[in-house]
Amino acid sequence: DSGVTQTPKHLITATGQRVTLRCSPRSGDLSVYWYQQSLDQGLQFLIQYYNGEERAKGNILERFSAQQFPDLHSELNLSSLELGDSALYFCASSADRGDQPQHFGDGTRLSIL
Amino acid sequence: SQQGEEDPQALSIQEGENATMNCSYKTSINNLQWYRQNSGRGLVHLILIRSNEREKHSGRLRVTLDTSKKSSSLLITASRAADTASYFCAPSSGSARQLTFGSGTQLTVLP
Repeated sequence: DSGVTQTPKHLITATGQRVTLRCSPRSGDLSVYWYQQSLDQGLQFLIQYYNGEERAKGNILERFSAQQFPDLHSELNLSSLELGDSALYFCASSADRGDQPQHFGDGTRLSIL
Repeated sequence: SQQGEEDPQALSIQEGENATMNCSYKTSINNLQWYRQNSGRGLVHLILIRSNEREKHSGRLRVTLDTSKKSSSLLITASRAADTASYFCAPSSGSARQLTFGSGTQLTVLP
């Protein structure tokens, strides 16, 4: 058990819709990262938050946004969904001190019909 | 951060055999991490090796790092069916904490 909790585990929705994925980081970790894993793109970094502030941005579409709340949980919002957004979305957290590994949740599997 | 390239893309061995997979990267690093992903699950951190280290062990895992060749290898000894998974390396450089992953090595351990 990594200590990172992601909900929901599965999400099925239609094109054009909006969804919110939630992540609770490991206790004490201030950094949260979001990754997308799809068959054609592999595992890609989307965005990082540290203690409520955006720290780094990767290949995140403008239709996607994220935030980290004062209790350090994070949400990834995906809007105007397209078929190509179907993927596994992972959240990871780390202490962000020195050489600290990232701890991954089990992901949310998003299916767009 | 930079992307590592794992090799081979796929590896199939018998239970009890050793498995070796390699990772190459392009520019100097602070450290390199190896992760395992079981099918449909999140990544699990296996081991981190710093740029000033040449070899590191953790249980049945042995990681080496050759900074002159910009490469690392992960050896799993006495493999088990439960080791069947994808293995990713993640070289880290600069202050960036986000990880960039390659396609991974898909290891299949046959009983």
